[in-house]
Amino acid sequence: GAGVSQSPRYKVAKRGQDVALRCDPISGHVSLFWYQQALGQGPEFLTYFQNEAQLDKSGLPSDRFFAERPEGSVSTLKIQRTQQEDSAVYLCASSPGQGHYGYTFGSGTRLTVV
Amino acid sequence: AQRVTQPEKLLSVFKGAPVELKCNYSYSGSPELFWYVQYSRQRLQLLLRHISRESIKGFTADLNKGETSFHLKKPFAQEEDSAMYYCALQNNNAGNMLTFGGGTRLMVKP
Repeated sequence: GAGVSQSPRYKVAKRGQDVALRCDPISGHVSLFWYQQALGQGPEFLTYFQNEAQLDKSGLPSDRFFAERPEGSVSTLKIQRTQQEDSAVYLCASSPGQGHYGYTFGSGTRLTVV
Repeated sequence: AQRVTQPEKLLSVFKGAPVELKCNYSYSGSPELFWYVQYSRQRLQLLLRHISRESIKGFTADLNKGETSFHLKKPFAQEEDSAMYYCALQNNNAGNMLTFGGGTRLMVKP
């Protein structure tokens, strides 16, 4: 597609439930990033892929968070045993590669844990 | 550690007034800085990058390494400029990961 596509747009999960968030980047974009944006704050880095390789996962807040990009295109962010503090907008972004390109962001998935 | 600070959560100006959205950063290397904008009900999008030295929608931003600042300026604000603005710093040692500031909401009143 022409842009970065994320699904679902909204997700309500009961505490303790597992969720999976999908990101479809721009075709051919090598770099893919996941960010978490809490209400009233700027996006915070979670993890980074270059093609299928997860090169940095230092921002993942706990071992309940897991991300993959097995074929170097679509990526999934999985959160196990969700907790209320996981409620946020999860943003995916892609970039053609390293360098001064800036990102193209998706619309995000708003996760609400009740 | 790198850090981006946007001291103002909200900036309210009248149409036609000058605008300056402040951004300060801390980074040990050579900084690459960006401004992103999010209009109501739209996705976050790149506004401008410092290396391009460009003016987008009348906005400019100059990197001041001495003051570690990258303030966003526009001489005459328009109502359509109302949005959330985020300053971001690229970490060239970690892919091209961005560190964002907390954002400033600009409201331009008629």
